[in-house]
Amino acid sequence: DAGVIQSPRHEVTEMGQEVTLRCKPISGHNSLFWYRQTMMRGLELLIYFNNNVPIDDSGMPEDRFSAKMPNASFSTLKIQPSEPRDSAVYFCASVSEGTYEQYFGPGTRLTVT
Amino acid sequence: AQKVTQAQTEISVVEKEDVTLDCVYETRDTTYYLFWYKQPPSGELVFLIRRNSFDEQNEISGRYSWNFQKSTSSFNFTITASQVVDSAVYFCALRGMDTGRRALTFGSGTRLQVQP
Repeated sequence: DAGVIQSPRHEVTEMGQEVTLRCKPISGHNSLFWYRQTMMRGLELLIYFNNNVPIDDSGMPEDRFSAKMPNASFSTLKIQPSEPRDSAVYFCASVSEGTYEQYFGPGTRLTVT
Repeated sequence: AQKVTQAQTEISVVEKEDVTLDCVYETRDTTYYLFWYKQPPSGELVFLIRRNSFDEQNEISGRYSWNFQKSTSSFNFTITASQVVDSAVYFCALRGMDTGRRALTFGSGTRLQVQP
């Protein structure tokens, strides 16, 4: 299996622009998570889906952030408009219930100037 | 509320030394899982181990071993005969099962530097 796939790996954008991060979970995994990693706050959950349905979005910072999972093999995290404080590494992870082991993608390093 | 504490921010050892990374957790859940992840300089998060709250047996995998003690709410990780390739940030994480919340709560990480 290819593992969790994220794109792009790096994104540099200007403040105010829309940013879309993409994730393809491991085939057969039914839960998908978006995490953000920063020096100040460490690794924190943004949102997670179970069977394509958003279950907990309490970590989403504000209305500028939105996430979708239109099918079992694809999810997006969108920031509109982006701000410099959104600069971070965004990880996507998936898990197969029964094992509880979350496998992470390589992350997207976002820089907003 | 759940919390994971990794009090050691950074550890530096010389190759071949043994090193233990501490992890202390807090949860009200009676059933939970504990994890360790490795984040090498390349940035990805690599799953190392999962342990459930009913299994207090220590585990050994090559040079890695884990000591789970429910009485002290600790899940420590020991690397024996450390190598330069072990240099990374190591995260301990917790998933409570009682509420159905599937997300992991991470500690702040311990940066391990293994000097040649």
